Amino acid sequence: GAVVSQHPSRVICKSGTSVKIECRSLDFQATTMFWYRQFPKQSLMLMATSNEGSKATYEQGVEKDKFLINHASLTLSTLTVTSAHPEDSSFYICSARQNTGELFFGEGSRLTVL
Amino acid sequence: AQRVTQPEKLLSVFKGAPVELKCNYSYSGSPELFWYVQYSRQRLQLLLRHISRESIKGFTADLNKGETSFHLKKPFAQEEDSAMYYCALSGQNFNKFYFGSGTKLNVKP
Repeated sequence: GAVVSQHPSRVICKSGTSVKIECRSLDFQATTMFWYRQFPKQSLMLMATSNEGSKATYEQGVEKDKFLINHASLTLSTLTVTSAHPEDSSFYICSARQNTGELFFGEGSRLTVL
Repeated sequence: AQRVTQPEKLLSVFKGAPVELKCNYSYSGSPELFWYVQYSRQRLQLLLRHISRESIKGFTADLNKGETSFHLKKPFAQEEDSAMYYCALSGQNFNKFYFGSGTKLNVKP
């Protein structure tokens, strides 16, 4: 099946710094990617829909200035957590959508903000 | 609003027993329903989708629009089925996907 790579898998940063997470579709082009946040023992919360060449669509309650999403190519979307704070610590997961509608997930990135 | 509900956080069954993981949804249009599975230390992956009407690893799921349900079933559970199962919903253009809270299936020997 298709492969989606997410990097880094783990990142620890100081409060106030910014962190960038990359999501790449390795063997297919993805015009649409999704970013999720997962809290411990909870479901995946859709944060935003990333569309290649256009602005991301954010879900209600998600701060677009806090979570910057860029989808500059058909195989790469990035999520930048700006001015990170401890409450931003979480597991972030991306997925890329094939034309068939099937989602392929990255392995996730665990962010810890000290 | 779109919503996917999985009422059971944990489901434990013995090997060989039937298993049913419940999923109910609310959606204003015609939904596409999926089941995703996450085995230990692995990423989420598609198990099955309702439009394909396939049986994957012995699992089936029928979309019941009257009851707005998409329950996942398997007649004889195996230990290797132990995993987290997520029910997901999308519109017909697949522009958004919403996930349920997940059910952890534990198949005991």
